[in-house]
Amino acid sequence: DIQMTQSPSSVSASVGDRVTITCRASQGISNSLAWYQQKPGKAPKLLIFSASSLQRGVPPRFSGSGSGTDFSLTISSLQPEDFAIYYCQQANSFPLFGPGTKVDIK
Amino acid sequence: QVQLQESGPGLVKASETLSLTCTVSGDSMSGYYWAWIRQPPGKGLEWIAYIYSSGSTNYNPSLKSRVTISVDMSKNQFSLKLSSVTAADTAVYFCARRGGTVAGAFDYWGQGALVTVSS
Repeated sequence: DIQMTQSPSSVSASVGDRVTITCRASQGISNSLAWYQQKPGKAPKLLIFSASSLQRGVPPRFSGSGSGTDFSLTISSLQPEDFAIYYCQQANSFPLFGPGTKVDIK
Repeated sequence: QVQLQESGPGLVKASETLSLTCTVSGDSMSGYYWAWIRQPPGKGLEWIAYIYSSGSTNYNPSLKSRVTISVDMSKNQFSLKLSSVTAADTAVYFCARRGGTVAGAFDYWGQGALVTVSS
């Protein structure tokens, strides 16, 4: 079975910082990876699909990269509204989410 | 704008069946996959099942024996049944749309429905 891991599990950062979160699949999944942002009490919001495609309406400070087993989500300049939990998801026929990375205020 | 709304009992007794319905508005259900995903309090996301508009299904193997997903295109709804529930099934249950132009990701979500399993 494929396993998804994320690192770090949490990161403290300041407004304006560049933040990178990584996601690793235990087996190659090509570019079948999505990234979501979730704020407390809300549903997840799709940010990135197909590893690097920006979902409509998502600010360009969010970017994704990677293929195979190693992926990353980068926020180029952290904004106050970006403090949230971020999940990766392998988007093959068996959707599987990573454990999440919490981005909080330093 | 596609909107999804979960409905169903917020409290279910242990050993009974959890039933939820998701009503879709703003677009046709045809040509998409429709999914249920849950999130226990303070924990991560777990995919439960999805169904294509034609009725074909796919289930999380860890839940497959207890789950039924169905679709009613005439009502623009799809439903989840989870049998023999325990406290471990207490979670926020989300319905979501999968696929289309976003290649297997979930692009529209309901607000979520908290279901508590009581003993």
